[in-house]
Amino acid sequence: AQRVTQPEKLLSVFKGAPVELKCNYSYSGSPELFWYVQYSRQRLQLLLRHISRESIKGFTADLNKGETSFHLKKPFAQEEDSAMYYCALKFNDYKLSFGAGTTVTVRA
Amino acid sequence: DVKVTQSSRYLVKRTGEKVFLECVQDMDHENMFWYRQDPGLGLRLIYFSYDVKMKEKGDIPEGYSVSREKKERFSLILESASTNQTSMYLCASSTRESTPHPDTQYFGPGTRLTVL
Repeated sequence: AQRVTQPEKLLSVFKGAPVELKCNYSYSGSPELFWYVQYSRQRLQLLLRHISRESIKGFTADLNKGETSFHLKKPFAQEEDSAMYYCALKFNDYKLSFGAGTTVTVRA
Repeated sequence: DVKVTQSSRYLVKRTGEKVFLECVQDMDHENMFWYRQDPGLGLRLIYFSYDVKMKEKGDIPEGYSVSREKKERFSLILESASTNQTSMYLCASSTRESTPHPDTQYFGPGTRLTVL
C-alpha cells in the first residue's frame, strides 16, 4: 500500500530565511508526486507537480527516488507563504494519497 | 476556471440524523472525490466516483455512502450521523481526458460538519 509521510506538523521561519518541508513516500509503482497548498480561508489548490520540474511562487521540489523523498524548498520565505502544505502521491490512475500536512508560519 | 461548489460551508446536526452533503462541478469532469480533513491526519479519501452511478470505496468508507446520478453532482450521505464524523469535508473533481495535467484535483471550499 502507498503511504506519504510529512514529519513536521508545524514549521515556523523568519521572513527571508530558507524553508524546507519534508515529504517521504512509500509506493511499489512509479511515483508521481505533488504539493498542494491551502492558504487561510481559501480552498486547497495544486502548488506544483514533480513531472513539471518547474518553480512556482519560488518553490521547487525534487523527486529523489533513492531516498523516496519529495521535499519542498524555497530559498527566501515570504509572509504570504504562510499556509498549510500537503504532499500527495498519485496511485491507481486518478487517486491521491495525502500526507498529514505541515502548517508553515512565516514571521516578520 | 474550474468551479467546484459545496452546498453548505457550515452544518450542525444531531447524533442519528441523516445528513446530505452536496458537491457540484461545472467542468464536465469524470472523476469526483469526497475527503475528510482532520488536523494531524491530513486528507483521507472516503469515496471516489469515476462515472455516473459508479463508485469506489476509499480509505474510510464506514458510516458513509455516496450517490452520483448526474455527472456534475456527487453527494455524500451520512446515514446516521455520529460525533466522530465531526470534521471538514472536502469535495474534489478531476478529468480523465488527455489534457496537459489530467490528474490535477480541483477542490471545493469545504463543509465543516459538527455532530452534537
